Amino acid sequence: EVQLVESGGDLVQPGGSLKLSCAASEFTFSAYWMSWVRQAPGKGLEWVANIKRDASEEYYLDSVKGRFTISRDNAKNSLYLQMNSLRVEDTAFYYCARWFYSSSSYFDSWGQGTLVTVSS
Amino acid sequence: DIQMTQSPSSLSASVGVRVTITCRASQSISRYLNWYQQKPGKAPNLLIYATSTLQSGVPSRFSGSGSGTDFTFTIDSLQPEDLATYYCQQSYSVPFTFGPGTKVDV
Repeated sequence: EVQLVESGGDLVQPGGSLKLSCAASEFTFSAYWMSWVRQAPGKGLEWVANIKRDASEEYYLDSVKGRFTISRDNAKNSLYLQMNSLRVEDTAFYYCARWFYSSSSYFDSWGQGTLVTVSS
Repeated sequence: DIQMTQSPSSLSASVGVRVTITCRASQSISRYLNWYQQKPGKAPNLLIYATSTLQSGVPSRFSGSGSGTDFTFTIDSLQPEDLATYYCQQSYSVPFTFGPGTKVDV
């Protein structure tokens, strides 16, 4: 069974930085696109970023572009999200998700989420 | 960006009844439409992809249909464990947007 375990969520002040990690197991990590999806407490889901299998392509939500960076280490089966210049509106549970990319594409596995709180 | 809407925003139904949720895209997304279930306090779970294909292990009481801009998600014979919020999501283009969700109470 696919395992995705996020870590790194914390309370941070506006303007601060945080790096999230996602440890993947029980599948060939390097064969899949990966994603971050967030959910503000009590709100809906919002896609944040995607990264290609070999990290040669990245895509971002406009509101995080230039502030967040998605990356991966296929040797360590790990996905990351570096978040800089954090804003109150970035407060959310951040989910690591596997993006199945083919003729149809979808988030087919999710981690349990890690909470990022941006507050003074 | 493609905007996704869902209706209703919430519903309450009895065990055994049929429940239908609609999802509409602001422009044509062909059949690039997925459905997720999120139970309280849990991560989302993929139920249906490409409008109508059931993810492995998902009960057959769940189904989906549609194309273009209008889509439907149906639960035949609602069960107590179906208490959840259901989200549609388009995978036609970046940013991959979700609908606002439909909360189903049983």
